[in-house]
Amino acid sequence: NAGVMQNPRHLVRRRGQEARLRCSPMKGHSHVYWYRQLPEEGLKFMVYLQKENIIDESGMPKERFSAEFPKEGPSILRIQQVVRGDSAAYFCASSPGQASTDTQYFGPGTRLTVL
Amino acid sequence: AQSVTQLGSHVSVSEGALVLLRCNYSSSVPPYLFWYVQYPNQGLQLLLKYTSAATLVKGINGFEAEFKKSETSFHLTKPSAHMSDAAEYFCAVSDQSGYIPTFGRGTSLIVHP
Repeated sequence: NAGVMQNPRHLVRRRGQEARLRCSPMKGHSHVYWYRQLPEEGLKFMVYLQKENIIDESGMPKERFSAEFPKEGPSILRIQQVVRGDSAAYFCASSPGQASTDTQYFGPGTRLTVL
Repeated sequence: AQSVTQLGSHVSVSEGALVLLRCNYSSSVPPYLFWYVQYPNQGLQLLLKYTSAATLVKGINGFEAEFKKSETSFHLTKPSAHMSDAAEYFCAVSDQSGYIPTFGRGTSLIVHP
């Protein structure tokens, strides 16, 4: 059973470009979470999705960021018009049920660098 | 609302020494508590979790943690550190009313020969 897959592992973008980060959850998991990790900081929750639904996006910046988890295919975190402050590691996690009780399984992350 | 405080951003121990990583939490309802480990350039891996069963929780790689309600603590320990334990450790808290764990800022464990 493959773990949570994220790609690309490293992504370099220039200011103003778009970044697309992909996450394939573990087989059988229908709950997906995105987190951002800045240097010397813990993980900050961004968004929680189930198939075709955004359940909680309270951690998402109001502008330029969006996320989806379509019926088929991976979850996508999209950042439009990237700025240097978007440089961070972005982690995806999945769980079979809600993360308050079920274990979250994390992907290896995508390290975004904005030049 | 819930929060986690990890005391000490860096902890340094000698190989073979006791490891103690501190975590204090606040939660308005009985919490669920987690410890995760992150090796360089990797995602987080669950070490152990407390979900209102036994207060002493044993995890992988010889780690354990004890839930102390009176002290609102969930410190992580290991009797004897190995070089391979060098990593970043995160404590997290959630409760049954919420579904997203809140993570601490992390503690970097350094193990020297």
